[in-house]
Amino acid sequence: DTEVTQTPKHLVMGMTNKKSLKCEQHMGHRAMYWYKQKAKKPPELMFVYSYEKLSINESVPSRFSPECPNSSLLNLHLHALQPEDSALYLCASSQERESAYNEQFFGPGTRLTVL
Amino acid sequence: QKEVEQDPGPLSVPEGAIVSLNCTYSNSAFQYFMWYRQYSRKGPELLMYTYSSGNKEDGRFTAQVDKSSKYISLFIRDSQPSDSATYLCALHGSSNTGKLIFGQGTTLQVKP
Repeated sequence: DTEVTQTPKHLVMGMTNKKSLKCEQHMGHRAMYWYKQKAKKPPELMFVYSYEKLSINESVPSRFSPECPNSSLLNLHLHALQPEDSALYLCASSQERESAYNEQFFGPGTRLTVL
Repeated sequence: QKEVEQDPGPLSVPEGAIVSLNCTYSNSAFQYFMWYRQYSRKGPELLMYTYSSGNKEDGRFTAQVDKSSKYISLFIRDSQPSDSATYLCALHGSSNTGKLIFGQGTTLQVKP
């Protein structure tokens, strides 16, 4: 089973709201990722977790706060977002972060609209 | 110069045609190559994952890697309307960061 699940599918929030995106995988993968994708653009890496520890933060604004409660779950906490943060947020996982095991499987994404 | 170049298209072909999608890259450190298919408003789906130069086949899909030319291709045989999607190449090297470098994606339309 190569499935990564994400909830919710759609989210509309105001600039003062606090919300969270959730991602789950049961493939035993030890690396998990958050990406942001704007229309007609490729995914942009935001965060990488390896063995539940944050290993890469691609200079993402602090209004995005990742959390990895355990090896199967990844959250992205959102606070005080801007309209330009509206995008498709994708979660991915891979067996390991290292190159030979970095076959990344993506979830369906959460489509976020910030009003 | 971008690390990975991919023609965004759109590419329009008749049903049954052979489709060739390509990416070129500049950094010889890239060692692992992936092709993803992404339908509109959905997450990318991994189609092919290759390491060495040469061909890898999976059903109607063939991935080709030429490291000497820094050129990778995805061929789709007997294309179907259901193949209409955006195809993204993704590369990574030996840095062990987990970071993929994506091409811009090629939009493919297969007409019945």
